[in-house]
Amino acid sequence: SYELTQPPSVSVSPGQTASITCSGHKLGNKDVFWYQQKPGQPPVLVIYQDTKRPSGIPERFSGSNSGNTAILTISGTQAMDEADYYCQAWDSFTAVFGGGTKLTVL
Amino acid sequence: QVQLQESGPGLVKPSETLSLTCTVSGGSVSSGSYYWNWIRQPPGKGLEWIGYFYSSGSTNYNPSLKSRVTISVDTSKNHFALKLSSVTAADTAVYYCARDDPGYGSSWSFWGQGTLVTVSS
Repeated sequence: SYELTQPPSVSVSPGQTASITCSGHKLGNKDVFWYQQKPGQPPVLVIYQDTKRPSGIPERFSGSNSGNTAILTISGTQAMDEADYYCQAWDSFTAVFGGGTKLTVL
Repeated sequence: QVQLQESGPGLVKPSETLSLTCTVSGGSVSSGSYYWNWIRQPPGKGLEWIGYFYSSGSTNYNPSLKSRVTISVDTSKNHFALKLSSVTAADTAVYYCARDDPGYGSSWSFWGQGTLVTVSS
């Protein structure tokens, strides 16, 4: 079965840039979605189809996807961005999630 | 704006069937071309997609759960349902229902708040 791999944790200082990677075999050939989840809340879509931001998502969130790696980048990270982030892709009509990355802003 | 709300027993015994419903408001389960999904999250762990019911009537399930899962729609009650049979402690999780937004690709823009189901005797 297809697997997506994320680092368990990433730390960033306020105002700096955070990058969260998501790796999978030929992931660049698939659409990647990123979800933000805060404690006790359902996930929120922050990036769809690799690079696009849904309405209402701040411009500091951006994405890329090439080769075997997708990257979620948060520029000018704010305290409110502290959350778990999950990448997701479809493989053979099955939705697959990465294991999630806990972003700590300190 | 469509809203989703999960409901069902919070405690299920091992080997029994977990049954949840997702009530839809602000829209109809029988209109449009949408994917009505169930996704779960064990406590302290990551997300796992369970499956979907598509408006055409087709279903698609995670291969790891396929033998135990049924997702169906009840248009008279405007809700869709999840049944997971032969549950074990590993099925303890927060269960979310979610719907796609065609404007955002095959992603999920609409989520319920989630309901915790514990499998224990």
